[in-house]
Amino acid sequence: GAVVSQHPSRVICKSGTSVKIECRSLDFQATTMFWYRQFPKQSLMLMATSNEGSKATYEQGVEKDKFLINHASLTLSTLTVTSAHPEDSSFYICSARDLGELFFGEGSRLTVL
Amino acid sequence: GENVEQHPSTLSVQEGDSAVIKCTYSDSASNYFPWYKQELGKRPQLIIDIRSNVGEKKDQRIAVTLNKTAKHFSLHITETQPEDSAVYFCAANTDKLIFGTGTRLQVFP
Repeated sequence: GAVVSQHPSRVICKSGTSVKIECRSLDFQATTMFWYRQFPKQSLMLMATSNEGSKATYEQGVEKDKFLINHASLTLSTLTVTSAHPEDSSFYICSARDLGELFFGEGSRLTVL
Repeated sequence: GENVEQHPSTLSVQEGDSAVIKCTYSDSASNYFPWYKQELGKRPQLIIDIRSNVGEKKDQRIAVTLNKTAKHFSLHITETQPEDSAVYFCAANTDKLIFGTGTRLQVFP
């Protein structure tokens, strides 16, 4: 199947700093990518839909100025958590669709101290 | 928007027994219903899926049923094994995939 790669897998940062997470489709092109957030023992919650060449679409309750999404090419989407706070600590996971099936990145565990 | 409910939240079975997880969805436009298995700290793994034009699908010990009229679908695992222990998520898809709340399945030897 298709491969979606996410980097970094783990990141620790201080409060107030920004963190960038990359999501790449390795063997297919993705005009749309999806960003999810998963808190411990909870489900995957859709944060936003990343659209190549246009603005991302954010789900209700997700701050677009805090979670900056850039879909610069057909194989790369980035999520930047700005001014991170401890409550932003979570598992962030991206996904992209190829031939109708959704493929997930490995996930990025963010810890904000 | 789409809302997916999943039950039960936890399920414990003896090895060899069957396990059933049920989900309901709200958006009648949803047309694709995958099931994922997620182990701790890992990405979700697709285990089976069903599309809206099919009522049932089976793959070895795993089967999924879909009732479009009632807007619910179920996952059936037969002859459970300890390695089936994980968190299982259902999901429903229109233009985006919305996940259920998850079921923690424990299979005891």
